[in-house]
Amino acid sequence: KAGVTQTPRYLIKTRGQQVTLSCSPISGHRSVSWYQQTPGQGLQFLFEYFSETQRNKGNFPGRFSGRQFSNSRSEMNVSTLELGDSALYLCASSRTSGRVSYNEQFFGPGTRLTVL
Amino acid sequence: GDSVTQMEGPVTLSEEAFLTINCTYTATGYPSLFWYVQYPGEGLQLLLKATKADDKGSNKGFEATYRKETTSFHLEKGSVQVSDSAVYFCALFSANAGGTSYGKLTFGQGTILTVHP
Repeated sequence: KAGVTQTPRYLIKTRGQQVTLSCSPISGHRSVSWYQQTPGQGLQFLFEYFSETQRNKGNFPGRFSGRQFSNSRSEMNVSTLELGDSALYLCASSRTSGRVSYNEQFFGPGTRLTVL
Repeated sequence: GDSVTQMEGPVTLSEEAFLTINCTYTATGYPSLFWYVQYPGEGLQLLLKATKADDKGSNKGFEATYRKETTSFHLEKGSVQVSDSAVYFCALFSANAGGTSYGKLTFGQGTILTVHP
């Protein structure tokens, strides 16, 4: 079974631009979570999607948004990029039973975003 | 809120040495606990997990025991190898009836492990 895939793997943008990152979960996994990893703040939860609905959101500004499609693939968008948005963005998927997510998450390789 | 504290790193060991990485947590209810490992340029891989008190998770020679009385989940390995060099993250998942924990793992700050031949 294929793992979680993320595209692109690397991205370079300039301040003020916007960016869209993509995540394809493991087949059959319906819950998708996003995390930001930086040297200073570590791993921080961005949001979680299930059945095309955002169920949980971390403490990030509204410039960070996401969505999920009917096939469980997810995208996250960052508008008006700032230098501090440079980070590794990780996507994780998990199985669900009904609306309940299994607590074990499987991570993709991440997208390395650099903002110049 | 939930939090995880890992021992300060980096940790540098010689091959075949004994490894301990300390992890303590604060959470409401009864969280599930995890150790993830991250190799250079890669995402996180689940190393082991424990879902209730006194459970022992184990994988690839690594072990950790869920200690509710000390709110700890220390990672140990009896004999490390050069290939174990990576960053190790302790994490917790704390379900609650309000649903505000959906899909959210809370991580420690990570511990860099370097093993020399």
